[in-house]
Amino acid sequence: DTEVTQTPKHLVMGMTNKKSLKCEQHMGHRAMYWYKQKAKKPPELMFVYSYEKLSINESVPSRFSPECPNSSLLNLHLHALQPEDSALYLCASSQDSGRSNQPQHFGDGTRLSIL
Amino acid sequence: GNSVTQMEGPVTLSEEAFLTINCTYTATGYPSLFWYVQYPGEGLQLLLKATKADDKGSNKGFEATYRKETTSFHLEKGSVQVSDSAVYFCALVYGGSQGNLIFGKGTKLSVKP
Repeated sequence: DTEVTQTPKHLVMGMTNKKSLKCEQHMGHRAMYWYKQKAKKPPELMFVYSYEKLSINESVPSRFSPECPNSSLLNLHLHALQPEDSALYLCASSQDSGRSNQPQHFGDGTRLSIL
Repeated sequence: GNSVTQMEGPVTLSEEAFLTINCTYTATGYPSLFWYVQYPGEGLQLLLKATKADDKGSNKGFEATYRKETTSFHLEKGSVQVSDSAVYFCALVYGGSQGNLIFGKGTKLSVKP
């Protein structure tokens, strides 16, 4: 069983819709991450939150808006997405983003399809 | 720059065969090295890690040794099972920050009964 929980597992939305992806962890981790994974590719980093503050934004379009309400929760708000945004969105957490020897723990992802 | 190169797949083996998936890296300083596994329809799971030269990571019968002299971290298993069928990602973290997690392209393993 994964210790990082993502909801929903699947999401289909139109290009004009607004939706949110949710991620939750109860391991006491202080760093949380969003990745985008296209089919047959490795994950690509989108955002990093460290102690509830956005520390890395990998030049992600503004139609993706992250939010970290508290140390256990991470949201990704979606608006006016494009068909090329269809992908698996993975959330991860780690003890501290500054510890290279402490690995990230991944959720099972949300599979997003844009019509 | 920093990068990870792993052998191209797919790799197809019979059950109980020996597995090697090659991984080499380029990095500044002393990176931490990881193998992650992704089963169909799931997220990534940490398989094993090594954080300094000559460390051996092991888990579920899989092993990998951090070889600084050859900048390699090859994954091995003596006897694979059908349940090992998955995509395997070699990865490194450099510069002391998990925000610098770099993945290889992944190697798909299929094990036939």
